[in-house]
Amino acid sequence: QVQLVESGGGVVQPGRSLRLSCTASGFTFSSYGMHWVRQGPGKGLEWVAVIWYDGSNKYYADSVKGRFTISRDNSKNTLYLQMNNLRAEDTAVYYCARDYYDRTTYAPVGYWGQGTLVTVSS
Amino acid sequence: DIVMTQSPDSLAVSLGERATINCKSSQSVLYSSNNKNYLAWYQQKPGQPPKLLIYWASTRESGVPDRFSGSGSGTDFTLTISSLQAEDVAVYYCQQYYTTPFTFGPGTTVDIK
Repeated sequence: QVQLVESGGGVVQPGRSLRLSCTASGFTFSSYGMHWVRQGPGKGLEWVAVIWYDGSNKYYADSVKGRFTISRDNSKNTLYLQMNNLRAEDTAVYYCARDYYDRTTYAPVGYWGQGTLVTVSS
Repeated sequence: DIVMTQSPDSLAVSLGERATINCKSSQSVLYSSNNKNYLAWYQQKPGQPPKLLIYWASTRESGVPDRFSGSGSGTDFTLTISSLQAEDVAVYYCQQYYTTPFTFGPGTTVDIK
């Protein structure tokens, strides 16, 4: 079955960097678009970024554009989120998520990981 | 960016009664070339990741009970739980995937009266 396991979360000081990873299994990773979605403490869902199944396109929320970079290594079945210049408002659970359909570009999010907590604090 | 709004913020419904959640997008999410609404509904229970319930505004995901239904087109959408069960207590989010950024609504909390 589809499994998405996030790692790399933790406590980091404002202005520092952190890289999240998401290891995928149970499906052909290279055939699916992948997302990062975050949820601040007690808050709603905020879509962060998407990368097309072939890595050809990447899109970001305005709140992270220029600071975060989404990437993937299809040979390792792994999705990444490089987060630079972190701010207190980036504190959230970060979910890795997979497109519902393969080889498409605009699709609902079909599967979610359990999330990894990032806390930005001095 | 497309802004998604939901109403109400929360609602409490008696077991077996109907719950209705509304979602509105700031611009149409209906793609004319395929006549599909790029709108999904998710359910999130405490301590869990979200779960896809409905996509294309009205297509129920496999395994989702048929008491959940989605309707609407263009900019106005509704999620209906026809007969609320205890296990339906959750926060419900709509999301548009018509264009990036793929924005979510703020969520609606459903509880038992």
